[in-house]
Amino acid sequence: RKEVEQDPGPFNVPEGATVAFNCTYSNSASQSFFWYRQDCRKEPKLLMSVYSSGNEDGRFTAQLNRASQYISLLIRDSKLSDSATYLCVVNPNAGNNRKLIWGLGTSLAVNP
Amino acid sequence: ETGVTQTPRHLVMGMTNKKSLKCEQHLGHNAMYWYKQSAKKPLELMFVYNFKEQTENNSVPSRFSPECPNSSHLFLHLHTLQPEDSALYLCASSQANIPVNTEAFFGQGTRLTVV
Repeated sequence: RKEVEQDPGPFNVPEGATVAFNCTYSNSASQSFFWYRQDCRKEPKLLMSVYSSGNEDGRFTAQLNRASQYISLLIRDSKLSDSATYLCVVNPNAGNNRKLIWGLGTSLAVNP
Repeated sequence: ETGVTQTPRHLVMGMTNKKSLKCEQHLGHNAMYWYKQSAKKPLELMFVYNFKEQTENNSVPSRFSPECPNSSHLFLHLHTLQPEDSALYLCASSQANIPVNTEAFFGQGTRLTVV
């Protein structure tokens, strides 16, 4: 089993749609979780951290399910500018930032 | 002035060449990283420096040689590379020794092609 696994997509959705991505992780002791966004031929940028209670930032909602070892990202009212690859990132070591484990990413295309 | 700057942005080199990638961060961070991003593979951590000291070498071949002269600068020296080393090389920085949810900031990367 891969350490961090994502559905690669691509997800093609119309503007205004709601889309959800899931990511599973294998290390049950993992402590911190992130979603990064990477535009084509650009560097990854932090979209949001994922907290145990779940968190929301505008149209984006992140959830963590420790029992099932997955995190999710929900995007509401999709915009054309949301088109990108969304990378799930897991830190299996509490307080040890250097051990980030990256998923392959899920590609999203929002169409007019 | 961007937070993390990498040069060059693109590099084509022969297998017998020697070249260096440069990374500079203006964020006051004390941890710097080299990552490799190949097509259809997840980001691979190569090296980590905390307070100028190398703390991680992720089984990287010796044809890649990092150098960190200070907390703001990081180099990756390349020699006798192979075509499979062609990839996007990303530099990142963060605050070291801060617990959970520490954001890593990336440079725009150097797209390397080995011919």
